[in-house]
Amino acid sequence: LAKTTQPISMDSYEGQEVNITCSHNNIATNDYITWYQQFPSQGPRFIIQGYKTKVTNEVASLFIPADRKSSTLSLPRVSLSDTAVYYCLVGDITGGGNKLTFGTGTQLKVEL
Amino acid sequence: NAGVTQTPKFRILKIGQSMTLQCTQDMNHNYMYWYRQDPGMGLKLIYYSVGAGITDKGEVPNGYNVSRSTTEDFPLRLELAAPSQTSVYFCASSPGTSGRVQETQYFGPGTRLLVL
Repeated sequence: LAKTTQPISMDSYEGQEVNITCSHNNIATNDYITWYQQFPSQGPRFIIQGYKTKVTNEVASLFIPADRKSSTLSLPRVSLSDTAVYYCLVGDITGGGNKLTFGTGTQLKVEL
Repeated sequence: NAGVTQTPKFRILKIGQSMTLQCTQDMNHNYMYWYRQDPGMGLKLIYYSVGAGITDKGEVPNGYNVSRSTTEDFPLRLELAAPSQTSVYFCASSPGTSGRVQETQYFGPGTRLLVL
């Protein structure tokens, strides 16, 4: 299985930009990188997905270098409501089948 | 349009009992997934399905069984509950139109299971 690594936790203040990096050395050639957000007692919610370079939507940006062995989720001007766990998801097609590996998750805490 | 629904929300089982966790989606998605999430940990894939009648194992399938007789439903069966199966179980679905298993997934609210 592809192993992904994220920082366990990050702290920030309202209005700041937050960057969360995920390492995925064994990413497969045809796989995309997806980030999810999870609040306590809820299922994860899709944030953004990309394959290479940069992707931007209304809530975040995703930066992926040319070697695709890592990715960085960027949250502009965070607010208290962005306090959550953020997961990096990378598809893995080793072992004869498609298997999905969530990262360890990064607990983001935003304070006033 | 309810999205992905799961029942029950919470259940306590005794060791050795069996139960079925229900999952239904109304988005006509082809792909469906079952994950478990232990306290303070990430999600681990148990089983997934790419269509009715087709299922495959994920990372942690031992102790579980699934079936997919319809597009909408993807029940997860625990035959002999063990304390190690105490967890929160999430069902998810994705469109399944791109040919890749990893697509944008839509998650249900989860089922909290306690095995004593």
